[in-house]
Amino acid sequence: KAGVTQTPRYLIKTRGQQVTLSCSPISGHRSVSWYQQTPGQGLQFLFEYFSETQRNKGNFPGRFSGRQFSNSRSEMNVSTLELGDSALYLCASSPTGRGTGELFFGEGSRLTVL
Amino acid sequence: QQPVQSPQAVILREGEDAVINCSSSKALYSVHWYRQKHGEAPVFLMILLKGGEQKGHEKISASFNEKKQQSSLYLTASQLSYSGTYFCGTARGGGSNYKLTFGKGTLLTVNP
Repeated sequence: KAGVTQTPRYLIKTRGQQVTLSCSPISGHRSVSWYQQTPGQGLQFLFEYFSETQRNKGNFPGRFSGRQFSNSRSEMNVSTLELGDSALYLCASSPTGRGTGELFFGEGSRLTVL
Repeated sequence: QQPVQSPQAVILREGEDAVINCSSSKALYSVHWYRQKHGEAPVFLMILLKGGEQKGHEKISASFNEKKQQSSLYLTASQLSYSGTYFCGTARGGGSNYKLTFGKGTLLTVNP
């Protein structure tokens, strides 16, 4: 069974640009969550999608957005990039996202903003 | 609100025990524990639902005191493979309101 796949794995952008990251969950998983990981801050929740609907959102500015497609694949977008957006962005999937089971994480997309 | 983990880092020799604590100022529905090795994705260890139950995973176990909104992860007779960063995640509700908030992590290093 294939795991969670995130693309691209590494990318470099400059300030002011925008970026789109993609996440393909495990087959059959309908919930996809996104996290930002930076040194010293741990994993910070961005948002969670279930059946194409955003169910929960973290405390990030509106420059961070996401969506989920009918096949459960998800994308997140960051517009007007800032230096502080440099981070590892992790995607996690679960069958229902109801908090009673494990999250399956991808290896992440490492974004560097210059 | 982000849970607080302690200690921030711990160094052990193989075979020693360790305890990692996770506390929240809010009432919790569940506590989740993950381990992340350098350059890899976080991996699920266990989940504890409110009710004070204790769970185990090989020589790793955890407890959840819902009255104190605290959880502890116990690593017994540590092995080199236990090295990594341990994250606790807390959720205040389940169902469609579920949102997992992680602490900043505890870096565990096990030396031979």
